Amino acid sequence: QSVLTQPPSVSAAPGQKVTISCSESSSNSGNNYISWYQQLPGTAPKLLIYDNNRRPSGIPDRFSGSKSGTSATLGITGVQTGDEADYYCGTWDSSLSFVVFGGGTKLTVL
Amino acid sequence: QVGLQESGPGLVKSSETLSLTCTVSGGSVTGDSFYWSWSRQPPGKGLEWIGYFYASGSTNYNPSLKSRVTISGETSKNQFSLTLTSVTAADTAMYYCAKGDAPHILDVWGQGTTVTVSS
Repeated sequence: QSVLTQPPSVSAAPGQKVTISCSESSSNSGNNYISWYQQLPGTAPKLLIYDNNRRPSGIPDRFSGSKSGTSATLGITGVQTGDEADYYCGTWDSSLSFVVFGGGTKLTVL
Repeated sequence: QVGLQESGPGLVKSSETLSLTCTVSGGSVTGDSFYWSWSRQPPGKGLEWIGYFYASGSTNYNPSLKSRVTISGETSKNQFSLTLTSVTAADTAMYYCAKGDAPHILDVWGQGTTVTVSS
């Protein structure tokens, strides 16, 4: 079974770059594709990144994704106050056939 | 552009059955090859995937909820629904419907509906 581990919180000053990690632990480690979601306060999640590093249309290129082995990373450059949100990674656990979400990371813009 | 809207009772009694509906606009529950999904989020906590209904009629559920969950599609109303039996306080959450090209690539979400389980 896949488990996705994220840090509970990260912070950054406006204009800086921040990264959020998502560590995968499973028998299928390294082979799963990761998606990233942004959840602004009081709103539904929004897809930011899929297939590790692809952005849906309309997502600014300030948001990027990467994956190496069992570690995925969401990067946000030029952080803005409007980026304050919870960020979740997710993947498809092919061994048990279900979607796993990480515990979420709260981004605070100082 | 697909739109999703959840509906259903906001209050359910413990041990009873929770039933929610997601109405789809701009797409077809059975005609489009999407994964029509439900997820939930307990107050102050993270996301939990519940399961999906695929256009072909296939379904898949979170193993932790599988014994209590049914997700189905209704072509005539262009809706898909969630049924969760034997609810407890642990099922109190915001429930979201969503659609995606893959189960974990959910690109359209409804606004969510709050369900409280009362004793």
